Amino acid sequence: SQTIHQWPATLVQPVGSPLSLECTVEGTSNPNLYWYRQAAGRGLQLLFYSVGIGQISSEVPQNLSASRPQDRQFILSSKKLLLSDSGFYLCAWRDTGAYGYTFGSGTRLTVV
Amino acid sequence: KQEVTQIPAALSVPEGENLVLNCSFTDSAIYNLQWFRQDPGKGLTSLLLIQSSQREQTSGRLNASLDKSSGRSTLYIAASQPGDSATYLCAPIGTGTASKLTFGTGTRLQVTL
Repeated sequence: SQTIHQWPATLVQPVGSPLSLECTVEGTSNPNLYWYRQAAGRGLQLLFYSVGIGQISSEVPQNLSASRPQDRQFILSSKKLLLSDSGFYLCAWRDTGAYGYTFGSGTRLTVV
Repeated sequence: KQEVTQIPAALSVPEGENLVLNCSFTDSAIYNLQWFRQDPGKGLTSLLLIQSSQREQTSGRLNASLDKSSGRSTLYIAASQPGDSATYLCAPIGTGTASKLTFGTGTRLQVTL
């Protein structure tokens, strides 16, 4: 069966520090991968998506970047965090042969 | 650009009531539509997926309908229970290679004893 792993679950980082969030998928190949962010009291916003290794599309200009070094690995990064980067980050995948999305359990990031 | 609206934004009902949650979207050129549930501080749990060729989908006490041409979907919850308390999110899935999900701000449901 397919599973999605996301870590860490919570993270408190000072302003100006780097960030690396990792997401991996098991039990499938060539999935579409997505990073979403949910700011406090707001809806889910698509940040990045990837349809294949090394292929990254950005939805909104921001202080973050994404990479897909392997088929089932998706990484969200920042060189220097801002206070506005705080939020709940969710990774999701969609099998290109299936129809629905599956989400990870999320990372709560607080920038202080 | 797809925009999703969910009504009501919040709902508080006593246990046992049947509920209707509404979702509307502006771009009817969608692939499918998915309903999710989010508990406070948690990730998203998929409830129902309606393919564009379907008009409704059922799972237990949940039934979701889709009228793609009018840009509407409705989630029915029968005989509500306190465990149903959560935020419910509607998300149409776009066409194209990326098949992006677009979310509204959801309906926050509280079911009281």
